[in-house]
Amino acid sequence: DAGITQSPRHKVTETGTPVTLRCHQTENHRYMYWYRQDPGHGLRLIHYSYGVKDTDKGEVSDGYSVSRSKTEDFLLTLESATSSQTSVYFCAMTRDRSPISGNTIYFGEGSWLTVV
Amino acid sequence: GESVGLHLPTLSVQEGDNSIINCAYSNSASDYFIWYKQESGKGPQFIIDIRSNMDKRQGQRVTVLLNKTVKHLSLQIAATQPGDSAVYFCAENSGGTSYGKLTFGQGTILTVHP
Repeated sequence: DAGITQSPRHKVTETGTPVTLRCHQTENHRYMYWYRQDPGHGLRLIHYSYGVKDTDKGEVSDGYSVSRSKTEDFLLTLESATSSQTSVYFCAMTRDRSPISGNTIYFGEGSWLTVV
Repeated sequence: GESVGLHLPTLSVQEGDNSIINCAYSNSASDYFIWYKQESGKGPQFIIDIRSNMDKRQGQRVTVLLNKTVKHLSLQIAATQPGDSAVYFCAENSGGTSYGKLTFGQGTILTVHP
């Protein structure tokens, strides 16, 4: 295992409630990412972080915020969940800025979120 | 915006056949490409990658071909096995702040019949 875990793995929540997903890594990797995956689609980048307290928006950032107060944790928050945010969320991490050939982008196992 | 897409959403093959999964990309600035395999209920699993300064790369039973002229990427799987059945995604990175910022294609469902 690559040392990246997500919690919770499954959650059902009501529309309008806040939700926080946690990504925890034990590899001291600098870069972390949150993606979402919807049926019939590949993953789409929500937010990413290139260091503690350094974050930036991805392709589908509306309705989401993130925080990175420690290297090992990257939190994704839905301030007021909507049904359109029902999805599978994947966290990922990389050590370096430039790719080194091989499996160096490590994904978590996913968090299934249902907003009812 | 820029995107990566797949020509075929599904591919069905017999065990032992070779499989070819195709991917078109539109961002000419893309310089790093990855193929992922995803099984139901799991995260993406790295298969093979290739940088834009190469046109072919081989791994164990897999080969990735890159044609920058027509912005096309393909994954070839030799002697396909039932365990290869999954969704396959191509992903590209155009550099910038980090190479984990990937744009994914829609995915191709590969089904291998015994």
